[in-house]
Amino acid sequence: ETGVTQSPTHLIKTRGQQVTLRCSSQSGHNTVSWYQQALGQGPQFIFQYYREEENGRGNFPPRFSGLQFPNYSSELNVNALELDDSALYLCASSPGLAGANGRTDTQYFGPGTRLTVL
Amino acid sequence: TQLLEQSPQFLSIQEGENLTVYCNSSSVFSSLQWYRQEPGEGPVLLVTVVTGGEVKKLKRLTFQFGDARKDSSLHITAAQTGDTGLYLCAGAEMESSGDKLTFGTGTRLAVRP
Repeated sequence: ETGVTQSPTHLIKTRGQQVTLRCSSQSGHNTVSWYQQALGQGPQFIFQYYREEENGRGNFPPRFSGLQFPNYSSELNVNALELDDSALYLCASSPGLAGANGRTDTQYFGPGTRLTVL
Repeated sequence: TQLLEQSPQFLSIQEGENLTVYCNSSSVFSSLQWYRQEPGEGPVLLVTVVTGGEVKKLKRLTFQFGDARKDSSLHITAAQTGDTGLYLCAGAEMESSGDKLTFGTGTRLAVRP
């Protein structure tokens, strides 16, 4: 139990539609990261938000966007869905103090949202 | 783009056997983490190694970080059926706002009773 929750657990959409996935971080965690995990592969970094601003982005197109809110919740939005977007989407929260203290920041993962695009 | 390759991709062994999983990269990371993921769940952190040459033990699991901080290994002694799962290594780039993780390709372990 990491204290990170995601909703919904499963979702089915069709090509061209838009989807919003939600994440609730641990209280006090200023950083949230989103990952895409295709079947049989490791998670791929989508982007990271720190104190409500995007702070780093992986190799994903602009139709992947996000928001982070002051209440430690966040969203991942995907527009114009494609078949290849079918995957498990994971969010992970962390205190966001790594570099400041020279130590590695532990990320706590939610259970993920399984998105199927038909 | 930093890449982490894990080997083997799949491993099926008998309970009681030993195994080693490897994680290799051409890049240097601030730290390297190992996770285990079970079906329907997110990855759970097992260990973080930071110093080149570092060895950490967690009961029957031994983790090693290469001297050059580019590779790592996970050794499991006397595997149990409960060790079954997807093992992921992840390299961390330490930044002030939080680590960004580059995950490996994963090793799926099945331990038969």
